[in-house]
Amino acid sequence: EAEVAQSPRYKITEKSQAVAFWCDPISGHATLYWYRQILGQGPELLVQFQDESVVDDSQLPKDRFSAERLKGVDSTLKIQPAELGDSAMYLCASSSGTGTGDEQFFGPGTRLTVL
Amino acid sequence: AQSVTQLGSHVSVSEGALVLLRCNYSSSVPPYLFWYVQYPNQGLQLLLKYTTGATLVKGINGFEAEFKKSETSFHLTKPSAHMSDAAEYFCAVRTRRGNEKLTFGTGTRLTIIP
Repeated sequence: EAEVAQSPRYKITEKSQAVAFWCDPISGHATLYWYRQILGQGPELLVQFQDESVVDDSQLPKDRFSAERLKGVDSTLKIQPAELGDSAMYLCASSSGTGTGDEQFFGPGTRLTVL
Repeated sequence: AQSVTQLGSHVSVSEGALVLLRCNYSSSVPPYLFWYVQYPNQGLQLLLKYTTGATLVKGINGFEAEFKKSETSFHLTKPSAHMSDAAEYFCAVRTRRGNEKLTFGTGTRLTIIP
């Protein structure tokens, strides 16, 4: 069964360091999402791609966060510099993008701890 | 704007008892509604969704939910709880036009008592 892959699964870093997360969506899925899930809360959308284009990054802290999907397939989310408040689960999801009710499939997430 | 309210951050039920997780939504246009389940240190898995048609939606693992427009609710139920149902459950809403953003509630942690 096709799955969304994410790596690493866990990342511990010190504040002010740079971190990067990788996501490989289900093959053929045009839409890719990055979410941040703070402990005890629901996921919050950071950025949405349609193919290689950003369609929503309104909640992305652009002073320190960046995301790219250069070939419209896999994607990287970067934080530089990391802050204590960035500790969270970072989830990647993908969907076929063929309809507004289509399902988003989630990866296992990357749990980031900033010390 | 759209939002989701999940009543009860923690719910405990005995094994074999009815599970009821509450979700109310706010949306200026007719919504799509979803329930997701999340096990510890894992991603989210779709339980069920309402898009159009029948308002009683059946999902995986014996769960179902009913869309009630008049009450702006989409409560999740399961007749008989199983130990494996212990997890975090998230209700989510998406509008039918414009931005495809999925807005999640804050989640309900379900504990099953043996």
